[in-house]
Amino acid sequence: SYELTQPPSVSVSPGQTARITCSGDALPKKYAYWYQQKSGQAPVLVIYEDSKRPSGIPERFSGSSSGTMATLTVSGAQVEDEADYYCYSTDSSGNDRVFGGGTKLTVL
Amino acid sequence: QVQLQESGPGLVRPSGTLSLTCAVSGASISSNNWCIWVRQPPGKGLEWIGEIYHSGSTNYNPSLKSRVTMTVDKSKSQFSLKLSSVTAADTAVYYCARADGIFGVVTPHPQYWGQGTLVTVSS
Repeated sequence: SYELTQPPSVSVSPGQTARITCSGDALPKKYAYWYQQKSGQAPVLVIYEDSKRPSGIPERFSGSSSGTMATLTVSGAQVEDEADYYCYSTDSSGNDRVFGGGTKLTVL
Repeated sequence: QVQLQESGPGLVRPSGTLSLTCAVSGASISSNNWCIWVRQPPGKGLEWIGEIYHSGSTNYNPSLKSRVTMTVDKSKSQFSLKLSSVTAADTAVYYCARADGIFGVVTPHPQYWGQGTLVTVSS
């Protein structure tokens, strides 16, 4: 089955830039999506189609994709950005969806 | 605004069937949208269970396909999920989510989420 691989954790100080990666064999041809999940809450979409930001999402959140890796960047990370982040995409057939294992972002 | 609300039993016996409903308000479910079901075991990551288009077309996670059934009831503006032959490994928070778009044009991805409901499988 298809897999998306994320680092388990990323840690930055407030104001620094955090980068969370997601690797998958189908990413050169399939979009990546990114979700933020704070403790005890439902996930929230922060990036769609590799680099688009939904309305209401702060500009410090950005996304990019190159080859088999997609990256979520949080520029000037704030304490309130502490959360688990999940990438999401589909396999090369376009049928099976999958979430990455999640990355815990710590800002302190 | 679009709102989704999951409902169903919080406790299911092993070997039984988990049944959940997702009520949608604030938007029509009659065209160009999917209901996507996602679950999250306690302390673990998100797992895609499957999706159903407003037309009734379904797409399930291969690892769960033999046990999953999703349906849509447009008259009640709700979707439903059934998972049969459950075990303790099916204990999780179950989310329903909405994805807007045209079948075959966009990749359905959750845009609006319900708050989730915890289902425990235990005797």
